[in-house]
Amino acid sequence: EAQVTQNPRYLITVTGKKLTVTCSQNMNHEYMSWYRQDPGLGLRQIYYSMNVEVTDKGDVPEGYKVSRKEKRNFPLILESPSPNQTSLYFCASSTPDRGRNTEAFFGQGTRLTVV
Amino acid sequence: AQSVAQPEDQVNVAEGNPLTVKCTYSVSGNPYLFWYVQYPNRGLQFLLKYITGDNLVKGSYGFEAEFNKSQTSFHLKKPSALVSDSALYFCAVRDTSGGSYIPTFGRGTSLIVHP
Repeated sequence: EAQVTQNPRYLITVTGKKLTVTCSQNMNHEYMSWYRQDPGLGLRQIYYSMNVEVTDKGDVPEGYKVSRKEKRNFPLILESPSPNQTSLYFCASSTPDRGRNTEAFFGQGTRLTVV
Repeated sequence: AQSVAQPEDQVNVAEGNPLTVKCTYSVSGNPYLFWYVQYPNRGLQFLLKYITGDNLVKGSYGFEAEFNKSQTSFHLKKPSALVSDSALYFCAVRDTSGGSYIPTFGRGTSLIVHP
């Protein structure tokens, strides 16, 4: 089954304690991205990756890091989380296929609370 | 740069009535356009997409959308709304002219269908 898997689904942490949210896809997609979803602000892109070892900032990259060492994995790293990073996070993957298979596949989301 | 606007934060409709959720976009080249739906505590699910060809696109759950190039719009429609259609709907655009192949999402429109 084609899927994007995020872990954990829920996380409560304290300010300053480094954390990593993992994301893995089994569709051999080149493109992967991270979004955060906040009430009234919709989905905002944090970082994206066009392929292995190629990453770039999205609209709200401050306070986040990513890496793309393997095609299937795209972890989101918060080196020193702060309360304003409390949010719902989504990982997505897609392909550059110019034919029919262009939609993004989303993970189930990670609800992060930083206290 | 690519962008998408969903001008309504919320749409209310009575069950059985037709519904429209509006979306306008801006791209440099030709667009790929998408609609996604998010049910409470779930990830985003793909509904339908416009790539090329027929301007009227049919998707899941009886939804359809009409691509209008002159008005740069891609409104989501359904002839007869169901209470179970109540959810958050996101429009997304991807510019096919180069640059980022990662889609940009609108802020989302909350659809509420009243019994």
